[in-house]
Amino acid sequence: QSVLTQPPSASGTPGQRVTISCSGGSSNIGSNTVNWYQQLPGTAPKLLIYSNNQRPSGVPDRFSGSKSGTSASLAISGLQSEDEADYYCASWDDSLNGWVFGGGTKLTVL
Amino acid sequence: EVQLVESGGGLVQPGRSLRLSCAASGFTFDDYAMHWVRQAPGKGLEWVSGISWNSGNTGYADSVKGRFTISRDNAKNSLYLQMNSLRPEDTALYYCAKDPGYDFWSGYPHYWGQGTLVTVSS
Repeated sequence: QSVLTQPPSASGTPGQRVTISCSGGSSNIGSNTVNWYQQLPGTAPKLLIYSNNQRPSGVPDRFSGSKSGTSASLAISGLQSEDEADYYCASWDDSLNGWVFGGGTKLTVL
Repeated sequence: EVQLVESGGGLVQPGRSLRLSCAASGFTFDDYAMHWVRQAPGKGLEWVSGISWNSGNTGYADSVKGRFTISRDNAKNSLYLQMNSLRPEDTALYYCAKDPGYDFWSGYPHYWGQGTLVTVSS
């Protein structure tokens, strides 16, 4: 059971906007920033969003992140077939003194 | 270009030990904290351990505390994970990852290697 809670699956059609939620607690999301990772099939995870809403260079602005209280969200607009992947949220946990991840959300582009 | 290449994985019996290595290039290794993150087959990501730029601070997940030891050799641009008393539940793809800062708690796993597979089975 993951410390951060994500829906196991999400889906959308090309061009659509989808959001993926990540729920935590006061010791992690509530007091620290959130990062999002994209893992394409058979590849290593790639940083998608850091510090709640910052995009590393090279990440399209179709990807955006937000945080409110003890929850965070990843939004993908203009959905494309190549966005089909697993998405993970992560945050530092002050009680566990370690990084915690969500269980991952498998995004399917219909 | 940041490159991280893990090695040392393999098949090992329960209770035995294994040492993973991660060779880093493309950046000034001793300026950054590093992480180990693992992924069991078909499962999600689990942070294993982190180490600060100068080895002054280390951290571990509860699941590996007391059994795993993270270390680094800045002269060799290398990160290590000594894994003792291995259990079947340690079976996973182990990734090393670079942090954008000096300390592993204030940054995040940024660049990732391709991983090395550890299988613990009799």
